[in-house]
Amino acid sequence: KQEVTQIPAALSVPEGENLVLNCSFTDSAIYNLQWFRQDPGKGLTSLLLIQSSQREQTSGRLNASLDKSSGRSTLYIAASQPGDSATYLCAVTRGAGGTSYGKLTFGQGTILTVHP
Amino acid sequence: SQTIHQWPATLVQPVGSPLSLECTVEGTSNPNLYWYRQAAGRGLQLLFYSVGIGQISSEVPQNLSASRPQDRQFILSSKKLLLSDSGFYLCAWSPIWMGTEAFFGQGTRLTVV
Repeated sequence: KQEVTQIPAALSVPEGENLVLNCSFTDSAIYNLQWFRQDPGKGLTSLLLIQSSQREQTSGRLNASLDKSSGRSTLYIAASQPGDSATYLCAVTRGAGGTSYGKLTFGQGTILTVHP
Repeated sequence: SQTIHQWPATLVQPVGSPLSLECTVEGTSNPNLYWYRQAAGRGLQLLFYSVGIGQISSEVPQNLSASRPQDRQFILSSKKLLLSDSGFYLCAWSPIWMGTEAFFGQGTRLTVV
């Protein structure tokens, strides 16, 4: 059974700092890994999608890496801003091949607070 | 562009009452559709997924059911709500081909009292 763990559970940093969020998964037979952002009481916003064959993806100040063999991914946020405050979730698509149907297994999330 | 709509945004229901949450997707056809639940202090858990009209798969045994009467419509239901059904329910969709992103609705906060 796939298990996804995110460390740290919560993180508080001053504005401007670069930071790293960690995600690990127990079964390396994933199809892809996705990072999401969730604001309080809201749905999930997709940030980055990394295919299992890729090593990293970048979008603006965000960079996500994937090491499938070791079961790890990191989300790097550069020059953090108060508007980055949210819960960040990573999720892996279960299994490999057509039978996974895009079903996601989520970590518990990292609550990020960026203070001015 | 594709959009996903989910309603209502909040719902307070008494124990034993029925439930119907609706989700629709626009701008795409034959999507995979999903219902997830986020309970307090717990991560997101997949409840149901559907790969086509009338095709529903359940991931966990529970008091809920799902239906897909139309290609882009996904409904979550219960005949009699339990206190343990309280939570934040999220509908999501992804294209049928593998390796693509999943997109989520804004969620429904359900409180069973």
